[in-house]
Amino acid sequence: EVQLLESGGGLVQPGGSLRLSCAASGFTFSSYAMSWVRQAPGKGLEWVSIISNTGGRTYYPDSLKGRVTISRDNFKNMLYLQMNSLRVEDTAVYFCAGSTSWFNYFHYWGQGTLVTVSS
Amino acid sequence: EIVLTQSPGTLSLSPGERATLSCRASQSVTGTYLAWYQQKPGQAPRLLIYGASIRATGIPDRFSGTGSGTDFTLTISRLEPEDFAVYYCQHYDSSRAFGQGTKVEIK
Repeated sequence: EVQLLESGGGLVQPGGSLRLSCAASGFTFSSYAMSWVRQAPGKGLEWVSIISNTGGRTYYPDSLKGRVTISRDNFKNMLYLQMNSLRVEDTAVYFCAGSTSWFNYFHYWGQGTLVTVSS
Repeated sequence: EIVLTQSPGTLSLSPGERATLSCRASQSVTGTYLAWYQQKPGQAPRLLIYGASIRATGIPDRFSGTGSGTDFTLTISRLEPEDFAVYYCQHYDSSRAFGQGTKVEIK
């Protein structure tokens, strides 16, 4: 059974940092490009970042470039998202999602971890 | 960057009725790189359709996707109680943009 389990969310003050993790199992993690997608409370889905299956390529939307860094460890089947200079508007549930190639739909989704940025 | 606009924002229907959801792109979509997802409250999105018209594994055949270019449609032929949810379209090019969603609610 495919599982993506996010962790690391919580309450952080504006300007702070947080590192999210996603543990993958049940599929060949190293064959999948992985992304982070977020959803602010009561809002729609917003793609945050993607990393290639090998980790050699990453891509971010312009709105988040410089504040987030995606990485992965294929030996541990783990995906990470380092978020810095957090803002109130970064408050959201953060999902990890897997796709079979760089330009592809999100086949697998985790259940998400909530990040709350508030003073 | 392509912007996806979904309509209507909310669709109020009864079980057994047909649901027609629209997703319009601001410019022509690359190939048929268009997916549809279903999301229920407190849950992760679930892939329904990819390649504009291909049902994902395990998706009932009452769900169908059509379209090309800038206009795409998700049709649910006969709504089941479990189909009341929010539906998102996505263009999986470099922007990986999502539409803003259509909520299908019970009338």
